[in-house]
Amino acid sequence: DQQVKQNSPSLSVQEGRISILNCDYTNSMFDYFLWYKKYPAEGPTFLISISSIKDKNEDGRFTVFLNKSAKHLSLHIVPSQPGDSAVYFCASLVSGGSYIPTFGRGTSLIVHP
Amino acid sequence: DTGVSQDPRHKITKRGQNVTFRCDPISEHNRLYWYRQTLGQGPEFLTYFQNEAQLEKSRLLSDRFSAERPKGSFSTLEIQRTEQGDSAMYLCASSAHTGTGVMNTEAFFGQGTRLTVV
Repeated sequence: DQQVKQNSPSLSVQEGRISILNCDYTNSMFDYFLWYKKYPAEGPTFLISISSIKDKNEDGRFTVFLNKSAKHLSLHIVPSQPGDSAVYFCASLVSGGSYIPTFGRGTSLIVHP
Repeated sequence: DTGVSQDPRHKITKRGQNVTFRCDPISEHNRLYWYRQTLGQGPEFLTYFQNEAQLEKSRLLSDRFSAERPKGSFSTLEIQRTEQGDSAMYLCASSAHTGTGVMNTEAFFGQGTRLTVV
């Protein structure tokens, strides 16, 4: 049973446009959410996170939005660049519990020049 | 200290052989995680250590798998009697965890060990 779901396996975007990656979760105990980026043959790299006490967190070109009532979060990348092409993983955890990140299956983003 | 280091990067082994992987976490991190990733999947949790104590193991960690972190620094993951289904990327991550939630860091991953069982 997937507690963190990334229903789009891939996304293709033109350079300069916005990329929107989506993530849904089922465990209502999750209260901290992270996005990781992964290039081939490398480990995931932390990108941005958000606590459930917020609904938005921004870091440069990257913004994460959280909709707790819908159990949905999204990562916006604007403007998208070819170097953003990678697999993006959404992860969720219970901050007051074991603090173990549970990952989605990932979305492969391709940004075309 | 430049990050989480894993060794080897690649391992090809014959079915039935034992393999051992090593992970050196970021030096000030007290938590160490092992994950497994197969094609088309996200990282799946295997086990984690808080200092030298192994606090949780997932059901994915069969009896053929054992992990240690003897001095609370580096960790090893051993797979005995490897099977073709063990072929995967094994990822190690570390974080600083105070328990309060406020000062916990995100998990930082190593580059992984790709295991191929033939």
